[in-house]
Amino acid sequence: NAGVMQNPRHLVRRRGQEARLRCSPMKGHSHVYWYRQLPEEGLKFMVYLQKENIIDESGMPKERFSAEFPKEGPSILRIQQVVRGDSAAYFCASSPRDRDHYTFGSGTRLTVV
Amino acid sequence: LAKTTQPISMDSYEGQEVNITCSHNNIATNDYITWYQQFPSQGPRFIIQGYKTKVTNEVASLFIPADRKSSTLSLPRVSLSDTAVYYCLVGDGGRGFKTIFGAGTRLFVKA
Repeated sequence: NAGVMQNPRHLVRRRGQEARLRCSPMKGHSHVYWYRQLPEEGLKFMVYLQKENIIDESGMPKERFSAEFPKEGPSILRIQQVVRGDSAAYFCASSPRDRDHYTFGSGTRLTVV
Repeated sequence: LAKTTQPISMDSYEGQEVNITCSHNNIATNDYITWYQQFPSQGPRFIIQGYKTKVTNEVASLFIPADRKSSTLSLPRVSLSDTAVYYCLVGDGGRGFKTIFGAGTRLFVKA
């Protein structure tokens, strides 16, 4: 049973480009969470999704950021017109129910140049 | 949402027992206490979860006093590979965890 798969592991984008981060949850997990981590800091919640629904996006910036978890396929975190401040590690986690502990992926490290 | 307070860092030596205490004075009745471990360049990994008293698994023990306003993660006989950041989280699941990943405790295990 594969864990939470995130790709790419590393992503370099120029300012103004779009970044698309993918997350495939563990088999049987229908709850997905995205977190952002800056160097030497803790993880900050961004968004919580279930299949085809955004449950809580209170931690996600209102502009340029969007997330989806379609019926088929991975969850996508999309950052439009990236800026240097978007450089961070983005982690995805999944759980079978919203009251269970999470399984995290290895993250995508986004570098904006 | 209950806020947690942990020491920023701790040092230990191989073979010692390490206890990391987390304060969560505003814990709610339906909140669980969960600890994660994170190595550099990796995602956090679940260690242990509890509601009250004592929980033990193959990796660690979690001690929770009756008032549940704090908890202590106990790592027996640490090794160099236990050097990591340890996060204490309090919540009832997805909504409860959304803002509680603080800076964690950086544990350094020395030879």
